[in-house]
Amino acid sequence: KNEVEQSPQNLTAQEGEFITINCSYSVGISALHWLQQHPGGGIVSLFMLSSGKKKHGRLIATINIQEKHSSLHITASHPRDSAVYICAAPNYGGSQGNLIFGKGTKLSVKP
Amino acid sequence: GAGVSQSPSNKVTEKGKDVELRCDPISGHTALYWYRQSLGQGLEFLIYFQGNSAPDKSGLPSDRFSAERTGGSVSTLTIQRTQQEDSAVYLCASSLGGFNSPLHFGNGTRLTVT
Repeated sequence: KNEVEQSPQNLTAQEGEFITINCSYSVGISALHWLQQHPGGGIVSLFMLSSGKKKHGRLIATINIQEKHSSLHITASHPRDSAVYICAAPNYGGSQGNLIFGKGTKLSVKP
Repeated sequence: GAGVSQSPSNKVTEKGKDVELRCDPISGHTALYWYRQSLGQGLEFLIYFQGNSAPDKSGLPSDRFSAERTGGSVSTLTIQRTQQEDSAVYLCASSLGGFNSPLHFGNGTRLTVT
């Protein structure tokens, strides 16, 4: 079974700060997911990546396959970025949909 | 276009009753996923449908849980003889399939078993 660990568990930042959330996994994977869950529960897929780096607006996701580690960065953070960020990796030997989820990082950005 | 639709949005049921939760995926999405999110437990995989292939049921926690997907579209998750530990938010997602297809989540069904 793939083990997925996220850090930090909670993060408070001031508006404008650069934010990094880390995710590590124990077994080699095909693609890693980054999800965002706002208060109220809706989940949005931010990134799927299998190598290198992806960027969308102020969000950047990187992955190091050899080190089994991924990071999510938020540049120029804003209070609307306040949410729980979750990484997920496929379970070893499982189907594409059989994902193991990290426990999430709760981000609060203060104005 | 319309996103993933789940119904009901909330369901309160008595212990021992059966419940059915419905998911309407995005039109054209061949892959459909069920997950649940319990308080303090995080997200966990339940079942995955991909096209006409046999579903991956390995995440279903007991034989009281079952799911079907009719006509490759709508899916129903059934929980028989509900228990209090079944209380959670049940989330459905769909995608075009393939390892590079992002997941589109519904808003979930909050199930409370009293």
